[in-house]
Amino acid sequence: AQRVTQPEKLLSVFKGAPVELKCNYSYSGSPELFWYVQYSRQRLQLLLRHISRESIKGFTADLNKGETSFHLKKPFAQEEDSAMYYCAVYGGSQGNLIFGKGTKLSVKP
Amino acid sequence: ETGVTQSPTHLIKTRGQQVTLRCSSQSGHNTVSWYQQALGQGPQFIFQYYREEENGRGNFPPRFSGLQFPNYSSELNVNALELDDSALYLCASSATGDATNEKLFFGSGTQLSVL
Repeated sequence: AQRVTQPEKLLSVFKGAPVELKCNYSYSGSPELFWYVQYSRQRLQLLLRHISRESIKGFTADLNKGETSFHLKKPFAQEEDSAMYYCAVYGGSQGNLIFGKGTKLSVKP
Repeated sequence: ETGVTQSPTHLIKTRGQQVTLRCSSQSGHNTVSWYQQALGQGPQFIFQYYREEENGRGNFPPRFSGLQFPNYSSELNVNALELDDSALYLCASSATGDATNEKLFFGSGTQLSVL
């Protein structure tokens, strides 16, 4: 069964430190992966998607098929990066995104 | 550009009752997906509507049903409410319904409490 695992419920780093939010997936076939973010008092929104190979707000994510991972990275964390981050994989039927449980990132000054 | 709007924001029901949640899609979007997010969990796909027809369904029982209207707004209906139905219900719209290529734009959700 398709599944997304985010092993850390909470990740706390200091401003300027590197950050890596882990995501492992289980999917048969060629996966399409996404990171969604929810800032305090805001709605869930797309941060980046594997298919676009983009960098948004300094974040990047590389698909590693051998390790079935799609970790989110940023070299220098900022306080405004504090938010809830969800990794998701396209589940194979229209509209079906399978989300992980999320990791709360806290960036301390 | 109008974003995705959901109503009501909060709702309290008792077990066995029925509930209807509403969603207006973002301007220009013809596809609406519904997700259930229990406390401490990620969103879980319920179903998607495209051009007024169900276009995909997750692992939810038939008492979860929906509608999409010609203006692309949508309703989620839940019959015979159970305590475990207590959750945040999220609506998301997209332009084509292809989750591999399109961004999903989420609403703020309806918080349902079943007592």
